[in-house]
Amino acid sequence: EDKVVQSPLSLVVHEGDTVTLNCSYEVTNFRSLLWYKQEKKAPTFLFMLTSSGIEKKSGRLSSILDKKELFSILNITATQTGDSAVYLCVGRHGGATNKLIFGTGTLLAVQP
Amino acid sequence: NAGVMQNPRHLVRRRGQEARLRCSPMKGHSHVYWYRQLPEEGLKFMVYLQKENIIDESGMPKERFSAEFPKEGPSILRIQQVVRGDSAAYFCASSVDRQETQYFGPGTRLLVL
Repeated sequence: EDKVVQSPLSLVVHEGDTVTLNCSYEVTNFRSLLWYKQEKKAPTFLFMLTSSGIEKKSGRLSSILDKKELFSILNITATQTGDSAVYLCVGRHGGATNKLIFGTGTLLAVQP
Repeated sequence: NAGVMQNPRHLVRRRGQEARLRCSPMKGHSHVYWYRQLPEEGLKFMVYLQKENIIDESGMPKERFSAEFPKEGPSILRIQQVVRGDSAAYFCASSVDRQETQYFGPGTRLLVL
């Protein structure tokens, strides 16, 4: 059965700290891994990773995929209170389905 | 360019009633996906539709649930004879084609009394 496991389940840090969120996956016919940020409404897209070892960066956020170890990390440097959210790691099927397999998320709380 | 729109944002139904959830994809997107998020759980895939076709409905319960995406108008997720266990947030996502990123709507929160 497909599964995506995230750790830690929750994390409390202070502004300015650096955090690393972990994600391991088992997805049949794997196509790509995505990270989303979910606040009180819709998940918003952060990154899509298809190739191993290539870091993707967007401001203070970066992510990398290891397809051999079936693992990805999301790093956030110099955290701000606005980074507080649930971060979702998602495996995407290839083939006709294109469906997403979601992890349960990591709840990040950044305190002032 | 407006994002994915869903309505209603909140829906309250009594057991046995029908719930209709609507999703208008982003402009230019012809692929629609429905996901359900039960309380304290992650999002789970329900169904994937392309205009007028159901591509994959493997995540949708066989009874009481149906989905459509007509040539004109929004995609509809229909739940007949709702039960308390149907209470959840239902998210719709759309993409421009099968390969591309899915963008999510704000969700419809269904509460069954």
